[in-house]
Amino acid sequence: ETGVTQTPRHLVMGMTNKKSLKCEQHLGHNAMYWYKQSAKKPLELMFVYSLEERVENNSVPSRFSPECPNSSHLFLHLHTLQPEDSALYLCASSQDLAGASPNFGPGTRLTVT
Amino acid sequence: AQSVSQHNHHVILSEAASLELGCNYSYGGTVNLFWYVQYPGQHLQLLLKYFSGDPLVKGIKGFEAEFIKSKFSFNLRKPSVQWSDTAEYFCAVTRSYNTDKLIFGTGTRLQVFP
Repeated sequence: ETGVTQTPRHLVMGMTNKKSLKCEQHLGHNAMYWYKQSAKKPLELMFVYSLEERVENNSVPSRFSPECPNSSHLFLHLHTLQPEDSALYLCASSQDLAGASPNFGPGTRLTVT
Repeated sequence: AQSVSQHNHHVILSEAASLELGCNYSYGGTVNLFWYVQYPGQHLQLLLKYFSGDPLVKGIKGFEAEFIKSKFSFNLRKPSVQWSDTAEYFCAVTRSYNTDKLIFGTGTRLQVFP
């Protein structure tokens, strides 16, 4: 248990669906992250939020839309995804951005059909 | 392009064998270095990290890593592996002035047989 929870743990969606991934951290951290983990590729940083403001957006397609309503919650809204978006999506949090070694959640395994 | 390289993609060992997993990075300047482990079906966990000071870092479960600045390397070692060390191991780097950008290697899958 890392103090970072993600729901759902598994998600299958069609290319025309809209769904959301949820992340919650119980650690009192100020920074939260979305990563994408695909087979045989490095973890890719997608979004970084610090104190609920987006700090980093690594050229992620607009079909992925993050939302950080408060410092404990982070969402990733998904719409019109492609099969190549199938991956494990990891949420993480850290106390702040300086010297960050994030705590990771268990991930959501997403399959786009 | 700036990157983190883990040249061993898949390592198979017998219990009690010694382990060394390679990690090289291509950044210049001051960096922070990490090893994460992902056991089957579990979340990524921090194994150890290096920010400054003694370049030989000791982590959990008997793992250690050595930062060799001249070789841009941060190899992970364990003198005697156990079956329970079967997992995927990820090296990661941030630049000290841009610590929100944690860049990962592709990972090394370690299988330990009894």
